[in-house]
Amino acid sequence: AQKITQTQPGMFVQEKEAVTLDCTYDTSDQSYGLFWYKQPSSGEMIFLIYQGSYDEQNATEGRYSLNFQKARKSANLVISASQLGDSAMYFCAMREGLSSSASKIIFGSGTRLSIRP
Amino acid sequence: GAVVSQHPSRVICKSGTSVKIECRSLDFQATTMFWYRQFPKQSLMLMATSNEGSKATYEQGVEKDKFLINHASLTLSTLTVTSAHPEDSSFYICRAGGNTEAFFGQGTRLTVV
Repeated sequence: AQKITQTQPGMFVQEKEAVTLDCTYDTSDQSYGLFWYKQPSSGEMIFLIYQGSYDEQNATEGRYSLNFQKARKSANLVISASQLGDSAMYFCAMREGLSSSASKIIFGSGTRLSIRP
Repeated sequence: GAVVSQHPSRVICKSGTSVKIECRSLDFQATTMFWYRQFPKQSLMLMATSNEGSKATYEQGVEKDKFLINHASLTLSTLTVTSAHPEDSSFYICRAGGNTEAFFGQGTRLTVV
């Protein structure tokens, strides 16, 4: 069965510093997709970044990058130059299959990131 | 990009009544939609998979008679919380479409009093 683990319930980071949010996963599938979402207090789920299991390069989207280490089954999110607006809940998620809108996505328990001015 | 619209964003209902939540895909067809529930300070838990033209598939522990799902068209899925009780108070959010980016509705915060 699939499983996503986020071991950091909360983190505090000084503004402008980089931060790494940890995520490990477990699956027996060879093809899967990994996501990171940001959830502010409003509740909306904001897509940040995606990594396919066969992607050789780490995904990057602006200040976000995903440190994908397949052998270790980890998919850590790195946020460079953190901003006050980055304070939110962050979820790591995984989907079976590389590209199927009909596949389930399961979520980790989340990490609450707080940026200090 | 694709947009998923969820309505209402917030609802308060009396215990024992039913509440319907709508999830619409605005610019694409979605044969499959997903419904999640999120309790305060917890993660999103998948409740059920909504399939257009057929019965929904419920996750273990989710009561199908309490959480009625209807997916009558390729752009609309509804979740009805029947005979709501205070313990059903939660944040409900739908998801549809997308390959490298799954699209979520805005979510519905349900409070049962």
